[in-house]
Amino acid sequence: DIVLTQSPDTLAVSLGERATINCKSSQSVLYSSSNKNYLAWYQQKPGQPPRLLIYWASTRESGVPDRFSGSGSGTDFTLTINSLQAEDVAVYYCQQHFSTRTFGQGTRLEVK
Amino acid sequence: EVQLVESGGGLVRPGGSLRLSCAASGFSFSTSWMHWVRQAPGKGLVWVSRIMSDGNAAYADSVEGRFTFSRDNARNTLFLQMDSLRVEDTAVYYCARDNYNGAFDSWGRGTLVIVSS
Repeated sequence: DIVLTQSPDTLAVSLGERATINCKSSQSVLYSSSNKNYLAWYQQKPGQPPRLLIYWASTRESGVPDRFSGSGSGTDFTLTINSLQAEDVAVYYCQQHFSTRTFGQGTRLEVK
Repeated sequence: EVQLVESGGGLVRPGGSLRLSCAASGFSFSTSWMHWVRQAPGKGLVWVSRIMSDGNAAYADSVEGRFTFSRDNARNTLFLQMDSLRVEDTAVYYCARDNYNGAFDSWGRGTLVIVSS
């Protein structure tokens, strides 16, 4: 199985500043025939189910604010949240959808 | 509007069985791949199982041979039969829709399963 390792485990960022979360995969999730990276990002707030933010590493899901962006390729990926808002406080997970699905361990984002 | 509603959770003793359901509406259920994901209290997300539109299912190693994922396309309903339950199966179980690209674009609110003596 593909193992995803997120860093950091916890991140504290001031409102209006940028938050950056990393996800490293134990093997490439780049599907060569489509040239797409099968990596997704989710946001989960307390007491709620996860919400899909990004898939194919950088494609924003409909309705997701454009301050959320994804980047990376192969085994190294980043979720960036520009101009952090109070409602962005949550746990963020990466997930590979290249093969049998696996999730990263999660990154807790707090306001500094 | 896509809706997924899980039910069937509860308290069960180790070694016991439970059957979860997920009622789906608002989308083409019969052509959709669907998944179960679980989350132990205070822990992260763990993929459990996937079912394709034709009923072909795959499982995480931790539940292989104990859980059975099935679907009734006439009733737009998913089922997760959980046998030989263990304490470590305690979690909120979510059903989720695959967005045809492999990511999960819709989730239910989950149902809590507690395995305890």
